[in-house]
Amino acid sequence: GESVGLHLPTLSVQEGDNSIINCAYSNSASDYFIWYKQESGKGPQFIIDIRSNMDKRQGQRVTVLLNKTVKHLSLQIAATQPGDSAVYFCAETTNTGNQFYFGTGTSLTVIP
Amino acid sequence: KAGVTQTPRYLIKTRGQQVTLSCSPISGHRSVSWYQQTPGQGLQFLFEYFSETQRNKGNFPGRFSGRQFSNSRSEMNVSTLELGDSALYLCASSFSPLGTDTQYFGPGTRLTVL
Repeated sequence: GESVGLHLPTLSVQEGDNSIINCAYSNSASDYFIWYKQESGKGPQFIIDIRSNMDKRQGQRVTVLLNKTVKHLSLQIAATQPGDSAVYFCAETTNTGNQFYFGTGTSLTVIP
Repeated sequence: KAGVTQTPRYLIKTRGQQVTLSCSPISGHRSVSWYQQTPGQGLQFLFEYFSETQRNKGNFPGRFSGRQFSNSRSEMNVSTLELGDSALYLCASSFSPLGTDTQYFGPGTRLTVL
């Protein structure tokens, strides 16, 4: 049968602006989350993670927010740079789970 | 510490052939997972090996198989290749069993089936 390509959400931001990438998850038992960045032709690169006992975690220029009530995860990138252009994935798992489940990804384009 | 390495990086095969891909995890990591990534299906889990044992398996046909060696290096084999097997095959490693710890990905092997 005919395969249907994934519709990748896109986000375009001006260089220097802040970016917010969102991810909704469906399993209320998910308790560990990871954000990955994937540049064209490369494997996913770990950015930041967060466990369900936290609401917020900060890294270098990145912040992950977790809202368990609405099952929503977001990645904030401060002062976005052209090198941030990539596809961003969220991944989730449970404490009894045995694999990660990945979102479809969001394509971020930074306009110089 | 060196990251996850995968060989070869690129591979071209024809339908009906078989292929073996190799993955060396980060030193000290005992869990190796394999994923298939395509534009149409995104990232799909193939299987995970931990301490030489297959712990989990995704929803792929038996043509896809793997193994892990005592040094945690892993190989993935695809027999009787089909056009639809063209994809980026990613390997990821973690210290603890999959799902309990951060996993780190390799650069992938780009397989093209003609």
